[in-house]
Amino acid sequence: GEDVEQSLFLSVREGDSSVINCTYTDSSSTYLYWYKQEPGAGLQLLTYIFSNMDMKQDQRLTVLLNKKDKHLSLRIADTQTGDSAIYFCAEILLSGGSYIPTFGRGTSLIVHP
Amino acid sequence: EAGVAQSPRYKIIEKRQSVAFWCNPISGHATLYWYQQILGQGPKLLIQFQNNGVVDDSQLPKDRFSAERLKGVDSTLKIQPAKLEDSAVYLCASSWSWDNNSPLHFGNGTRLTVT
Repeated sequence: GEDVEQSLFLSVREGDSSVINCTYTDSSSTYLYWYKQEPGAGLQLLTYIFSNMDMKQDQRLTVLLNKKDKHLSLRIADTQTGDSAIYFCAEILLSGGSYIPTFGRGTSLIVHP
Repeated sequence: EAGVAQSPRYKIIEKRQSVAFWCNPISGHATLYWYQQILGQGPKLLIQFQNNGVVDDSQLPKDRFSAERLKGVDSTLKIQPAKLEDSAVYLCASSWSWDNNSPLHFGNGTRLTVT
């Protein structure tokens, strides 16, 4: 199975808040990332959070981290149609002495006008 | 700052043919990654370079895939011979260093279709 798990789809109305959830596996991950992928493009870094934080806010984005449950969420306030994309959660796994960036399957966010 | 450049954007080949992809990372980025993204899935790491050395290639199918980064800058990924299941987007990414607090910057990928 996947090391990083995400729900596959989320549909919201324009102007509402969106919350995308992720569970990760490695409690020693020091940084956790959110990436956005628009059709035909690569992944774009949205935001990240350091493991000694439980919340980070960046304009319309709020990241919440629950280390005990290994749960990460991304909240997008006032969701716009331009936010429609696939959102990936990523952790950095330490494997064999190497840091391996590992991604979930992505959550497809659909924003309805 | 120029981003990660990849070429070609699209490639269609028949099974058993060969194909090569090229990547130019962001200037000064020591670490380079090749990921395979099959439709509907997240990116899967194929190989990770630190300068011109391989950090991890545990998920690279070495019987058919190869990659090099000879001068520690550009990189090529080759598939020979291709199989139908290799149809995917191949993403190149780079980061400042290989430690766990250097975010990855991605190129737009090469979409490979094997028929």
